[in-house]
Amino acid sequence: NAGVTQTPKFRVLKTGQSMTLLCAQDMNHEYMYWYRQDPGMGLRLIHYSVGEGTTAKGEVPDGYNVSRLKKQNFLLGLESAAPSQTSVYFCASSYSGTATEAFFGQGTRLTVV
Amino acid sequence: AQSVTQLDSHVSVSEGTPVLLRCNYSSSYSPSLFWYVQHPNKGLQLLLKYTSAATLVKGINGFEAEFKKSETSFHLTKPSAHMSDAAEYFCVVTHQGGKLIFGQGTELSVKP
Repeated sequence: NAGVTQTPKFRVLKTGQSMTLLCAQDMNHEYMYWYRQDPGMGLRLIHYSVGEGTTAKGEVPDGYNVSRLKKQNFLLGLESAAPSQTSVYFCASSYSGTATEAFFGQGTRLTVV
Repeated sequence: AQSVTQLDSHVSVSEGTPVLLRCNYSSSYSPSLFWYVQHPNKGLQLLLKYTSAATLVKGINGFEAEFKKSETSFHLTKPSAHMSDAAEYFCVVTHQGGKLIFGQGTELSVKP
């Protein structure tokens, strides 16, 4: 019973490089989210999805793109990484997005140098 | 628009004394509210949730929270702190479109 799995757990990028973070959930949840966590700022929503094939912008979407081609997967892409994107990234999923609990992955620590 | 404000960035208590972590929310409709806990270098775990049923909600590890619509508050309490409660706590409100909006977090320290 894996829940929400994020890949990779750690990554170091050089400025300008690209990468994709993968989030996979095995709970048949409709809603999926990508957050970044920075000290003193809580978790800020980057993008989210309310179902397969849909995506929407969150609070801090600039510099990121997402795709939800399959219900169980939600990909977060950085096309040209910047030092300001150094952060811990969390993926989450929930059944309905309002009254139900969200389940979180263990996080990806990304450093851009 | 929905938003949530955690009134204290850091709270320090002694072991065995009560814990109070404060959260105010803003919502244009009846919200669902959650408290999550994050231990150092760990993911997030649900403590409790309010979804328009009982206004006093009991969660795991002895925590509870009371939804007060007139005060737009959802404060988290525990009668007696334990060393293992030291962590960061997040108050979360749901947006009508399905977003989960986080507060800035409150770091709880517990002194022996």
